[in-house]
Amino acid sequence: DAKTTQPNSMESNEEEPVHLPCNHSTISGTDYIHWYRQLPSQGPEYVIHGLTSNVNNRMASLAIAEDRKSSTLILHRATLRDAAVYYCILWNTGNQFYFGTGTSLTVIP
Amino acid sequence: DTEVTQTPKHLVMGMTNKKSLKCEQHMGHRAMYWYKQKAKKPPELMFVYSYEKLSINESVPSRFSPECPNSSLLNLHLHALQPEDSALYLCASSQGVAGRGREQFFGPGTRLTVL
Repeated sequence: DAKTTQPNSMESNEEEPVHLPCNHSTISGTDYIHWYRQLPSQGPEYVIHGLTSNVNNRMASLAIAEDRKSSTLILHRATLRDAAVYYCILWNTGNQFYFGTGTSLTVIP
Repeated sequence: DTEVTQTPKHLVMGMTNKKSLKCEQHMGHRAMYWYKQKAKKPPELMFVYSYEKLSINESVPSRFSPECPNSSLLNLHLHALQPEDSALYLCASSQGVAGRGREQFFGPGTRLTVL
């Protein structure tokens, strides 16, 4: 099973950009890269996903390395509401996917 | 309506009890999921239903029995649980099946305590 590796924790100052890295060196050609976040006492929430190209949406950007062995979630201006655990997940066409250990993001006012 | 609801929010049960967790969505999604999440750990996939049929069972013990009576409802029947089964049980749904980058919508979870 393809797995992801993320730093346990990161800190960011409020209103500054945040780059959350994820390594997935065993990714296969059909695995999608998903990011979800989980705020305290809530279920996970979808952030963004991509396959090969970089992606942008209203919440974040996803930068995918050319060899697809790593990706970076970019929050352009961190707010206090972005404090959460961010999970990088590989999702394949067999509908199987495994959450990584996640990165706990602390936003400092 | 982009909400997945789960009931109850909290459940305390003894090891000899039988109880059920319920999950409901009205987004027309045809894939539904059960996850188990222990404290400070990532969610772990338990079951996947696709078009009301069980498509993935991640080697979950038989004391957990899923049921999908229709496309909007997902139940998880619990019997003879152990204290180590205490966890947050999350339900999710997505449009369509398999890969293709479908976004999952998660419910808030049921916090289960087994005494």
